[in-house]
Amino acid sequence: NAGVTQTPKFQVLKTGQSMTLQCAQDMNHNSMYWYRQDPGMGLRLIYYSASEGTTDKGEVPNGYNVSRLNKREFSLRLESAAPSQTSVYFCASSVSKRDSPRSNQPQHFGDGTRLSIL
Amino acid sequence: AQSVTQLGSHVSVSEGALVLLRCNYSSSVPPYLFWYVQYPNQGLQLLLKYTTGATLVKGINGFEAEFKKSETSFHLTKPSAHMSDAAEYFCAVIRGSSNTGKLIFGQGTTLQVKP
Repeated sequence: NAGVTQTPKFQVLKTGQSMTLQCAQDMNHNSMYWYRQDPGMGLRLIYYSASEGTTDKGEVPNGYNVSRLNKREFSLRLESAAPSQTSVYFCASSVSKRDSPRSNQPQHFGDGTRLSIL
Repeated sequence: AQSVTQLGSHVSVSEGALVLLRCNYSSSVPPYLFWYVQYPNQGLQLLLKYTTGATLVKGINGFEAEFKKSETSFHLTKPSAHMSDAAEYFCAVIRGSSNTGKLIFGQGTTLQVKP
């Protein structure tokens, strides 16, 4: 049972380079999320997708784009990497129901992608 | 707006001692509250959650938390710390009326357990 799988686990980029972080879940969850984790700041939501074909901005979307390729996969793209985007990126998924918020389930997290931008 | 404050970025206890990690939240609607644990170089794992019903919630690894509406708190406790409890702990809130499951996290508390 893989849960949430993120690739790559580590990456070093130069300023201005682009890259895509991949995330896939095998739990048939409808909602998926991308967070960044920085020391002393907890996790901050970058983008989320409540269902296939929809995406919405979170707290810190600038400099990022996302694609909800299908129900399983949700990718995060850095078009022109900047040193301020050095961080640990986490993907998560959950069941969330628009018509029944009380049925929202806890999020399951991947192991993270550690990204350094020089 | 929802927010979560964890009091103390670092907490150090001796093995066998009580663990108390503090979390206060602000919410204009009934909150759903969570505690997650993160071990080094890993993702977050759910420890416990409060949605409705009993205000004392038991989680994995002997942890529990009590929802106190009057104090807007959801502190995490464990009667006796174990070396394996050393990790970073995050309190999080989901807005009760949210239909997207978005979480707001506290800043995290690093728990050190001394032998």
